[in-house]
This record gives sequence, structure tokens and C-alpha cells, in this order.
Amino acid sequence: KAGVTQTPRYLIKTRGQQVTLSCSPISGHRSVSWYQQTPGQGLQFLFEYFSETQRNKGNFPGRFSGRQFSNSRSEMNVSTLELGDSALYLCASGTGGNDEKLFFGSGTQLSVL
Amino acid sequence: GEDVEQSLFLSVREGDSSVINCTYTDSSSTYLYWYKQEPGAGLQLLTYIFSNMDMKQDQRLTVLLNKKDKHLSLRIADTQTGDSAIYFCAELNTGGFKTIFGAGTRLFVKA
Repeated sequence: KAGVTQTPRYLIKTRGQQVTLSCSPISGHRSVSWYQQTPGQGLQFLFEYFSETQRNKGNFPGRFSGRQFSNSRSEMNVSTLELGDSALYLCASGTGGNDEKLFFGSGTQLSVL
Repeated sequence: GEDVEQSLFLSVREGDSSVINCTYTDSSSTYLYWYKQEPGAGLQLLTYIFSNMDMKQDQRLTVLLNKKDKHLSLRIADTQTGDSAIYFCAELNTGGFKTIFGAGTRLFVKA
């Protein structure tokens, strides 16, 4: 079974630009969660999608958005990039069940210059 | 509130036991997890425990849960250099459909 695939692996952008990150979950998984990882803040929850519906959202500004497609693939978008958005963005897939075990991709390392 | 706290660093000698501790605040959490992150990689689920259990053992890993004190620990027996990584404690917020992570404990294993 293929794992969680995140693309691209690395991104370099400049302030003010926007970026779209992609995540393909494990086949059969309907839940996709996104996290931002920085050295100072650890893992911060961005949002979770299940069957194309956002079920929860973390405390991030509206510049951070996401969506999920009918095939469970998910994208997240960050508009008007700021230097502080530089981070490792991790996607995790799960069954969406009560014992939700998360399976993580390798992440997208975003650098904002 | 939702918060998971753990110490940032732990250093042990190869062959010794490692104990990583964690405290959480959400008493309604049903599942608690330990994830491992190696350099340049995402997180990997190591083990998990249901909230009505006190202990779970899985080969070299032992998880202890004190629900009254909201304290979770991970013991790694016979720690090896390959165990050097960041270990994350996490709790499942069932109602919110989200898993909340601690900041991670960086384990250094000295040969």
C-alpha cells in the first residue's frame, strides 16, 4: 500500500506570493489533516478534512485555506506569504474513525524569503 | 483547554532505558499516542493507548498512563543509537476531529 505523498518536497517563495501544497492520502483513507511544524512552536494543527468537508480548523489566519477532493486528495493554500510562514508542512491521513491513527507524509519544506 | 507538554531534551547511554514524559489537559481524550520523527521525515506512529488502560507493552516500548494526573510516559528499554529521534506525545480530541501534539522530546543516545 502506498504511503502518504506530499508534493513538492521543497519550495522557495518570496514574501507576498501564494503557494499551493498537495497531499495524496493512503488509499481508502478519507481523512486528511494538515500541520505546520516549526522549531519553536512544534506541530500546530491547521485543519482536518473528511469526505470533502472541513471538520475542524486551527488558529491560523484566513490566508491559510484548504480543500479536499472527491478522491480524498487534499490541497492547502497560503496566500500573501510572510517570512513567518517558513516551516515544514505535514499532511497526515487517517480513516476518520474513533481511534484515529495518523499516517504522515514526509512534508513540504517551505522557505519564504 | 487543549495542551500537551513534554520536556524538550533527553540524553541517555546506549543500552540504558529511556523514559519520556508527557502531560495533557483534555480529560475527555480517548486515545493517547507516541510518534517518532527522524531527521528529514514525517512522523511515524510508535504506539498508542486507550484511555481506560494503565499500561501497554510492545516489545521494547512500555506506555504508562496515569489518567488521574493526566500523565503519559514512554519507556524504551535497551536504548540503541537508532532510537535517536524526536518523540511526540499526542492526544485525540474526539469531538474536534483533531490530534494535538506536544512540542516533542529530542532523544540523544550516546554510544
